[in-house]
Amino acid sequence: NAGVTQTPKFRVLKTGQSMTLLCAQDMNHEYMYWYRQDPGMGLRLIHYSVGEGTTAKGEVPDGYNVSRLKKQNFLLGLESAAPSQTSVYFCASSYDTGGPRTGELFFGEGSRLTVL
Amino acid sequence: LAKTTQPISMDSYEGQEVNITCSHNNIATNDYITWYQQFPSQGPRFIIQGYKTKVTNEVASLFIPADRKSSTLSLPRVSLSDTAVYYCLVGNSSASKIIFGSGTRLSIRP
Repeated sequence: NAGVTQTPKFRVLKTGQSMTLLCAQDMNHEYMYWYRQDPGMGLRLIHYSVGEGTTAKGEVPDGYNVSRLKKQNFLLGLESAAPSQTSVYFCASSYDTGGPRTGELFFGEGSRLTVL
Repeated sequence: LAKTTQPISMDSYEGQEVNITCSHNNIATNDYITWYQQFPSQGPRFIIQGYKTKVTNEVASLFIPADRKSSTLSLPRVSLSDTAVYYCLVGNSSASKIIFGSGTRLSIRP
């Protein structure tokens, strides 16, 4: 039982390049989330999904796209990376209802992205 | 979603009890209060959750007054390893858009 796994863990991009971050969870969770965290700051919600085939915008969705084609995977894409997207990205998942602790989020280890 | 307010930072010493208070004036009837802990270079992890009165687990206690407009996370006898950022969140089981605030940066000194 790996929990929430993010790949890659580190990536350096040049401005204008594209890339995809993959989040995989093996807990059969309905809800999945992508957050970004800048140095010394709290987490900001980028996009989230309440189930396979659904996505929704969070607080800071501009410049990102997401897809949830399979229940266990949530992909975050950057079509044209900018230096302002340099950050640590965290994926999380949770039960919708009925979990042992209401809405508890389980986080991945993070993906550190640098855009030059 | 209920907005939360908590201190930006707190300092304490090893062996002391630390209390971090979170204000959530517009909490809804079916909202729970959840606290997360985040160490540097790691994702947040669940600490404790409560609805009313007092909840205690092996890590912390959570005190919630009758009006539920605030809550206090209590960490007994802290150690250096409790240095972390602590986040207070308010929401219910059907809330899907989970927003984190800035959290409280707790620093423990020898």
